Amino acid sequence: GENVEQHPSTLSVQEGDSAVIKCTYSDSASNYFPWYKQELGKRPQLIIDIRSNVGEKKDQRIAVTLNKTAKHFSLHITETQPEDSAVYFCAASIRGGSYIPTFGRGTSLIVHP
Amino acid sequence: DGGITQSPKYLFRKEGQNVTLSCEQNLNHDAMYWYRQDPGQGLRLIYYSQIVNDFQKGDIAEGYSVSREKKESFPLTVTSAQKNPTAFYLCASNPEDRGPGGYTFGSGTRLTVV
Repeated sequence: GENVEQHPSTLSVQEGDSAVIKCTYSDSASNYFPWYKQELGKRPQLIIDIRSNVGEKKDQRIAVTLNKTAKHFSLHITETQPEDSAVYFCAASIRGGSYIPTFGRGTSLIVHP
Repeated sequence: DGGITQSPKYLFRKEGQNVTLSCEQNLNHDAMYWYRQDPGQGLRLIYYSQIVNDFQKGDIAEGYSVSREKKESFPLTVTSAQKNPTAFYLCASNPEDRGPGGYTFGSGTRLTVV
């Protein structure tokens, strides 16, 4: 089955800095890679996703890049703000299949004012 | 609550008791899922159901049971066979047409053994 590794487990940055979270996956059949943000005590919410036919996708301050050959994808947050502090999860799945994503273990991002 | 409601928000269980966590959605999603979340463990799949009256075990199904008698409802029972049930439980749903929204999560139930 699919295995998703996520690093780092904790990331501490100063407000205004950039943050990068990296994930690797094992199943070359995976073709859909969503990212979720979970604030303390709340439910995860989808913030951005990318399909395997795209190398990069941006949405304001967040972007995701995908390297299919190396089987890794990354979340980039620019100009971080304290409200970006949360746990971020990456996932990999196969769209058009059963769509059961495999999640990474999460990265706790702390943005210091 | 985003169309998917979990109740209760907090639940306390005595050892040896079965408890049932509720998950209801009004999104007309075909697929529903239960995840367990522990610190540093990410989200681990317990059970999932893609159609009514059918469900499949996930990675950590032992000690849990589910039913899917209605499209809108997917309750999870934590049985006394689950030796370490204290965790945060998340329910999720997904449309069969796999639209761009992906998963929708409920707000979770925090279960504590007392």
